Amino acid sequence: GENVEQHPSTLSVQEGDSAVIKCTYSDSASNYFPWYKQELGKGPQLIIDIRSNVGEKKDQRIAVTLNKTAKHFSLHITETQPEDSAVYFCAASQNFGNEKLTFGTGTRLTIIP
Amino acid sequence: NAGVTQTPKFQVLKTGQSMTLQCAQDMNHNSMYWYRQDPGMGLRLIYYSASEGTTDKGEVPNGYNVSRLNKREFSLRLESAAPSQTSVYFCAIKAGAADTQYFGPGTRLTVL
Repeated sequence: GENVEQHPSTLSVQEGDSAVIKCTYSDSASNYFPWYKQELGKGPQLIIDIRSNVGEKKDQRIAVTLNKTAKHFSLHITETQPEDSAVYFCAASQNFGNEKLTFGTGTRLTIIP
Repeated sequence: NAGVTQTPKFQVLKTGQSMTLQCAQDMNHNSMYWYRQDPGMGLRLIYYSASEGTTDKGEVPNGYNVSRLNKREFSLRLESAAPSQTSVYFCAIKAGAADTQYFGPGTRLTVL
């Protein structure tokens, strides 16, 4: 089955700086890669996703890049703000028929004011 | 939480007790999921249901049963709770054209 590894497990950045979280996956058939943000005491919330026919996707301060050859994808947050502090999870799945998302173990991001 | 409700929010059980966690959606989606979240282990799929009346095992199904009696509700049952089942449980639905899953607020379960 799919295996997703996520690094780092914790990350602290100064407010205004950029943060990068990286994930690798094992199954070359995976073609859908979402990122979730989880605030304390709440359920994970989808913040951005990318499919394997695209190399990069941006949404305001958030971007995701995908390298299919190397089987890794990354989340980039620019101009970080205190409200970006949370736990972030990456995930991978095969679209069209496979119902299962495999999650990374999470990154706790702390923005230092 | 994308129209996904979970009850209860918190629960404390003694070893051997049983309980059912409830999940309901108000968006008429086919696919529903149960995950557990443990520190340092991310989210692990327990069971999922691709449509009303069907269920399939996920990564960690042992000790759990599920029921999808109608399209709106998907319940998770612990027949004989064990301390290893202390966790936060999340229900999710799949919405949209791809594997986009949306999560409920969670149930925090402690088994003593």
